Amino acid sequence: GENVEQHPSTLSVQEGDSAVIKCTYSDSASNYFPWYKQELGKGPQLIIDIRSNVGEKKDQRIAVTLNKTAKHFSLHITETQPEDSAVYFCAADDNSGYSTLTFGKGTMLLVSP
Amino acid sequence: EAGVAQSPRYKIIEKRQSVAFWCNPISGHATLYWYQQILGQGPKLLIQFQNNGVVDDSQLPKDRFSAERLKGVDSTLKIQPAKLEDSAVYLCASSLDQGGQTQYFGPGTRLLVL
Repeated sequence: GENVEQHPSTLSVQEGDSAVIKCTYSDSASNYFPWYKQELGKGPQLIIDIRSNVGEKKDQRIAVTLNKTAKHFSLHITETQPEDSAVYFCAADDNSGYSTLTFGKGTMLLVSP
Repeated sequence: EAGVAQSPRYKIIEKRQSVAFWCNPISGHATLYWYQQILGQGPKLLIQFQNNGVVDDSQLPKDRFSAERLKGVDSTLKIQPAKLEDSAVYLCASSLDQGGQTQYFGPGTRLLVL
């Protein structure tokens, strides 16, 4: 089955800095790669996703890049703000037709004012 | 648009007791998922329904966990009997359909087994 590795497990930045979180996956047939943000006591919320036919996608301060050859994808957050502090999860589907998602272990991002 | 609803939000039980969780997906969403999230880890899929049929339950501990989705809408997840290692957050999610569709998560039910 799919295996997703996520790094780093924790990331501390100063407000205004950029943050980068990286994930690798094992199943070369995976086609769909979402990123979720989870705040304390809440369920995960989709912030951006990318499909295998696209190398990069951007939405305001958030961007995701995908390298299918190397089987890795990354989340980039620019001009970080304290409200960006949360746990971020990457995921990859298994292209089984049911698109079962396998999640990484998460990155706790702390943005200090 | 109302989000995914779950209840209860918190539950504390003793080991060997039974517990049930309820989920109401977003209206019109055909696919419903139950995930288990242990502290410090990402969500792990337990079972996936397409309408009222199961499409993936390969990671569901079937000796103690069961789930159903009556009439293709609401769903319940049951644990009987509970073990200490079942302490986790149980998340329900739904999507319009399967196949790379956005999954929308509910707030989760936090279960503590003593």
